[in-house]
Amino acid sequence: KAGVTQTPRYLIKTRGQQVTLSCSPISGHRSVSWYQQTPGQGLQFLFEYFSETQRNKGNFPGRFSGRQFSNSRSEMNVSTLELGDSALYLCASSGGTGYEAFFGQGTRLTVV
Amino acid sequence: AQSVTQLDSQVPVFEEAPVELRCNYSSSVSVYLFWYVQYPNQGLQLLLKYLSGSTLVKGINGFEAEFNKSQTSFHLRKPSVHISDTAEYFCAVTQNTDKLIFGTGTRLQVFP
Repeated sequence: KAGVTQTPRYLIKTRGQQVTLSCSPISGHRSVSWYQQTPGQGLQFLFEYFSETQRNKGNFPGRFSGRQFSNSRSEMNVSTLELGDSALYLCASSGGTGYEAFFGQGTRLTVV
Repeated sequence: AQSVTQLDSQVPVFEEAPVELRCNYSSSVSVYLFWYVQYPNQGLQLLLKYLSGSTLVKGINGFEAEFNKSQTSFHLRKPSVHISDTAEYFCAVTQNTDKLIFGTGTRLQVFP
């Protein structure tokens, strides 16, 4: 059974640009969550989608947005990038019987 | 609001010694508790989880944790660590599976 797949693994962008990250959940999982990990703030919840609807949202500015498609794949978009957006972005899927979230390997975003 | 406190940011230990990584949580409602491990440049891997039932939970790689409701703790233990256990360990809490609240992490460094 394939795990959670995040693409790309690494990205370098310039301030002011926008970026789109992709996440393919485990087959059959309908919930996809996104987290930002930085040395200063640790792991912070961005948002969660279930059946194409955003169910939960963390305390991030509106520059951070996401969506989920009918096949449960999810994308996360960050517009007008700032240096502080440099982070590891992790996607997690859930929906099995064990209640746990399964994480992808993450996308390392560097803003220069 | 829920929160998680990992009391030690770093824990150095010699190989084959026992280790305990401490985690305390605060919540006014029943929660699910998890321990995740993160190796360098990787995502999060679930070590173990507490949902209900027996307060002693066994996980992968020889780790176990004990849920103590009166002390609101969920400490992680291993009787004998290996060099390969060197990693960052995160305690997390959730009321459901949609939004995990993470602690700040504990860096376990195992020395030969």
